[in-house]
Amino acid sequence: EADIYQTPRYLVIGTGKKITLECSQTMGHDKMYWYQQDPGMELHLIHYSYGVNSTEKGDLSSESTVSRIRTEHFPLTLESARPSHTSQYLCASSAGTGAYNEQFFGPGTRLTVL
Amino acid sequence: DQQVKQNSPSLSVQEGRISILNCDYTNSMFDYFLWYKKYPAEGPTFLISISSIKDKNEDGRFTVFLNKSAKHLSLHIVPSQPGDSAVYFCARRGDNFNKFYFGSGTKLNVKP
Repeated sequence: EADIYQTPRYLVIGTGKKITLECSQTMGHDKMYWYQQDPGMELHLIHYSYGVNSTEKGDLSSESTVSRIRTEHFPLTLESARPSHTSQYLCASSAGTGAYNEQFFGPGTRLTVL
Repeated sequence: DQQVKQNSPSLSVQEGRISILNCDYTNSMFDYFLWYKKYPAEGPTFLISISSIKDKNEDGRFTVFLNKSAKHLSLHIVPSQPGDSAVYFCARRGDNFNKFYFGSGTKLNVKP
């Protein structure tokens, strides 16, 4: 059973607001990821982290930022939300070693920016 | 550059019959593929995987086949059950082991 949590599950917010999406995992995984997904589309990687104090941008350009101060915590921040940020945001983690490790996903945050 | 492609956005199957979900991929040196299942309002959950040293991997009702020459991956579900109704994503690990690339998903509907 994967233990990865995301809050809030749903968020409706006005344009220009600053928001932080929380993601925590209790599995001690080194690697963590943020994906953005719209219905019927691929999961697009927007950020990932190899470990504490390590963050990289993913393949899809995003105006969001992330931090990794603790192994278990990987929050995503949008300084000024816009309607184009409306999407589902999925957090995932995986063990750091080995070639055959799957990713475990949180339940996602459905963000709507009005 | 789309690394993995799922060309069928939806599939409808009768309960008890076989469901076959397909995925095509671009070339890479090292291939490790995964299938995920996603229910509405939940995150994807890992289902089954296969590495390039195999051409088949089986886990209960789920079997994944890998055809390297055709760069094609398929997931077979036998027998299909109504609870299998979900969106299925195929994914492959990136060459540096740190990224995963996902298809756009196939929505499976298993009719009772």
